[in-house]
Amino acid sequence: QQPVQSPQAVILREGEDAVINCSSSKALYSVHWYRQKHGEAPVFLMILLKGGEQKGHEKISASFNEKKQQSSLYLTASQLSYSGTYFCGSHSGGYQKVTFGIGTKLQVIP
Amino acid sequence: DVKVTQSSRYLVKRTGEKVFLECVQDMDHENMFWYRQDPGLGLRLIYFSYDVKMKEKGDIPEGYSVSREKKERFSLILESASTNQTSMYLCASSFRGRVNTGELFFGEGSRLTVL
Repeated sequence: QQPVQSPQAVILREGEDAVINCSSSKALYSVHWYRQKHGEAPVFLMILLKGGEQKGHEKISASFNEKKQQSSLYLTASQLSYSGTYFCGSHSGGYQKVTFGIGTKLQVIP
Repeated sequence: DVKVTQSSRYLVKRTGEKVFLECVQDMDHENMFWYRQDPGLGLRLIYFSYDVKMKEKGDIPEGYSVSREKKERFSLILESASTNQTSMYLCASSFRGRVNTGELFFGEGSRLTVL
C-alpha cells in the first residue's frame, strides 16, 4: 500500500519554508525521500532509518516518527532549484522494495 | 558516477504488440526495479529482482513480465501491449542489503505510448 503524502501541491516564494508529510499504514523500517525535476529521473535526497539514523542532503532535513509511522521533510529558505516533485518511499521489511507515494509538487517562485 | 541507462526514451507501439524495455546499470548493483509513473498515481512498483534470474512481483505486475539473465541488465516485457499501459517507465538499481542505508539510482525513463 502506498504511503500518503500531503500536501499534494505547494507554491512558495524564494526564502519561504515548507513541510511535506508522509504517513504509512504499515510499520516502517525506513523512509526514503527523492526529488524529481520535470523531465528528469528522481534523485535521492535522504533516508531515515528506524532507530533515528539519517543520511542525506545537507540543506534539507527530515524527521521520522516510528511510532506514528510518519515522516516529514523540511525545506527551509527555499531556492528556485528546490522546485520539483518530492516523493516519499516506505520500506516495511521483507524483500528489498520501496513503495512510493503519489508525490508532492513544489514550485518556488521569485 | 552510477549510471542507469534505459534503451529507449520514447516508444510508440500498437495494441497487441510485444514490447521490450531494456535497462542496464554499470555499478554492479544486485537489486534492480521497474516502476511506472502516472499523473496522480506516483511511482508504482511493477517487478524487482535481487539477483540474476531472480524476480519478485511488485504492486502492479499484471500484464508484465521481466527477465534478468545478466547482473547488469533487467528487461521489462509487455507480452501484448494495451492502451492502459501507456505510461512512463522508470528503471532503478541499488546495492543488495543496503535498501535501508543505500539509495535507488534511477534511469531517465522510457515513455511508452500504446495506440
